[in-house]
Amino acid sequence: AQSVTQLGSHVSVSEGALVLLRCNYSSSVPPYLFWYVQYPNQGLQLLLKYTSAATLVKGINGFEAEFKKSETSFHLTKPSAHMSDAAEYFCAVSLYNQGGKLIFGQGTELSVKP
Amino acid sequence: DADVTQTPRNRITKTGKRIMLECSQTKGHDRMYWYRQDPGLGLRLIYYSFDVKDINKGEISDGYSVSRQAQAKFSLSLESAIPNQTALYFCATSDLESGTSGGYTDTQYFGPGTRLTVL
Repeated sequence: AQSVTQLGSHVSVSEGALVLLRCNYSSSVPPYLFWYVQYPNQGLQLLLKYTSAATLVKGINGFEAEFKKSETSFHLTKPSAHMSDAAEYFCAVSLYNQGGKLIFGQGTELSVKP
Repeated sequence: DADVTQTPRNRITKTGKRIMLECSQTKGHDRMYWYRQDPGLGLRLIYYSFDVKDINKGEISDGYSVSRQAQAKFSLSLESAIPNQTALYFCATSDLESGTSGGYTDTQYFGPGTRLTVL
């Protein structure tokens, strides 16, 4: 069965530091992968998605993620954290032959210290 | 105006009461979804609908029912609310897209959420 694991429920970085949020997936068929961000008291907003066009995907607000099939990973990075990046981040997988059904990881809360 | 709206945004109810959460969208999408969010568990799919005549159970449908009144409207009902249904509920919409390696996927767009408390 397909699944998504996000390593670390809470990550804290200093402003200006590298942000790295980890996501590993389990899927026996080619996956499509997504990162969503949830700001306090808001719904989820799409950051970026991988649909196999390119392994390095650039998203909004300076975030990017790299699909690594050998490691079954899709980690989210940003070179320099900003205070406004503080939010909860969700990784999700959609299966090649089950378009529309997203399976979410448990989420990672990112804190940014001044 | 928001593309996906949910009403109410907050609701407090008592055990045993029937309540309905509503979702409306102006994106023209055929597909609609209901999720619940609990701390540490991410989002879990309750029900989904790929068109007005197509309703499917998700991962955690027990205790819930849905109605797809029109392409733009998808309601979630709790027939007899219980405290462990206290959660944040999200509606989402999407349209089918062709993936670059074949197959199909879509991008889901979420509403702002409804915070439900069952006492």
